[in-house]
Amino acid sequence: DSGVTQTPKHLITATGQRVTLRCSPRSGDLSVYWYQQSLDQGLQFLIQYYNGEERAKGNILERFSAQQFPDLHSELNLSSLELGDSALYFCASSPGTYTDTQYFGPGTRLTVL
Amino acid sequence: AQKVTQAQTEISVVEKEDVTLDCVYETRDTTYYLFWYKQPPSGELVFLIRRNSFDEQNEISGRYSWNFQKSTSSFNFTITASQVVDSAVYFCALSERKAAGNKLTFGGGTRVLVKP
Repeated sequence: DSGVTQTPKHLITATGQRVTLRCSPRSGDLSVYWYQQSLDQGLQFLIQYYNGEERAKGNILERFSAQQFPDLHSELNLSSLELGDSALYFCASSPGTYTDTQYFGPGTRLTVL
Repeated sequence: AQKVTQAQTEISVVEKEDVTLDCVYETRDTTYYLFWYKQPPSGELVFLIRRNSFDEQNEISGRYSWNFQKSTSSFNFTITASQVVDSAVYFCALSERKAAGNKLTFGGGTRVLVKP
């Protein structure tokens, strides 16, 4: 158990809908990261927050947004969902922002029908 | 731009055989970090090792060992005397010191199947 929690574990929804994925980092970690794992794209970095502020952005679609709250938990919002958004979404956390080891949560499997 | 290549997509071995997973990386940064993660069938990503670019010492942890060769930009991973529980997908990843934030760039993964 990495200490990173993600809810829900599974999510099934329809195209055009909006969903929110939630992540709680390990105790004491200030950075939260989101990654998407799909069959065609592999594991892709989406976005990083450090202590409430956006620190780095990757291949995140405009339909996707994220935030980190004062209690350091983070939410990833996915809107106008398409079939191609079906994937495993991982959250990871680390103590700081540079070069720290990232510990991953169990993931949320999103299925868009 | 940083890139990680794991040329082997799948390796199948019989229990107790050794298996070596290749990882080749590209980066323009002089300070960088390399990682290996394991993704068992249950789906989570488990951290195995972190190595910085200035430390080329090989490392052994139980049946796992890692060979870092800066001259060939490789960070290979060997499982000695494999066991069925080693069946998983293994990912090599890279992060650069100069990059904004701390994003990990992953290779495509190597699926290891250990047969009893």
